[in-house]
Amino acid sequence: DIQMTQSPSTLSASVGDRVTITCRASHSISRWLAWYQQKPGKAPKLLIYKASSLESGVPSRFSGSGSGTEFTLTISSLQPDDLATYYCQQYTSFSTFGQGTKVEIK
Amino acid sequence: QVQLVQSGAEVKKPGASVKVSCQASRDTFSNYYIHWVRQAPGPGLEWMGLISPSVGSTSYAQKLEGRLSMTRDTSTNTVYMELSSLRSEDTAVYYCARRRDSDNPFDIWGQGTMVTVSS
Repeated sequence: DIQMTQSPSTLSASVGDRVTITCRASHSISRWLAWYQQKPGKAPKLLIYKASSLESGVPSRFSGSGSGTEFTLTISSLQPDDLATYYCQQYTSFSTFGQGTKVEIK
Repeated sequence: QVQLVQSGAEVKKPGASVKVSCQASRDTFSNYYIHWVRQAPGPGLEWMGLISPSVGSTSYAQKLEGRLSMTRDTSTNTVYMELSSLRSEDTAVYYCARRRDSDNPFDIWGQGTMVTVSS
């Protein structure tokens, strides 16, 4: 099984800050990596697919990069609406999720 | 608006079974795979398995093999996830999500169904 490890597990930042979340895969997954945003009591929402492709309707302050085993999600200017937990997902072999990164607003 | 609509919350006793439904549009039912993902209290998402509604073929996470069954009703465009021999550790929100093919992630999710296992 492919394991996904995210860091940090929690981060606190101010509105306007640049925020970066890292995801590492236990084996190479090429670019078959997605990022989701989950707000409390809601289902996850797709933000990024194929490591760096922005899903339609997602604000351009979200971006993704990486390939192989190392990936990042960047929020260029944190907004109050970005309060959420973010998950990475590999989808090269069925599916595995990272353990999540909770983003808090200072 | 494309959506997946799930059945309501359930409360079950240990050892019982639960069956959760996920209704899709005809296009989703015919052209996508439906996956099930669960989320126990706290962060973390666990992939459970998938069904091809058009064909009926399934694949399950090894951890749940033997207790998990996914079926579909082609007359109502509904897929079902049934989990048997429930334990307290199965208490979670259960989501269905669609995926077009192996080149794509889950683009639409159901609203989630809370399943509580308690004596």
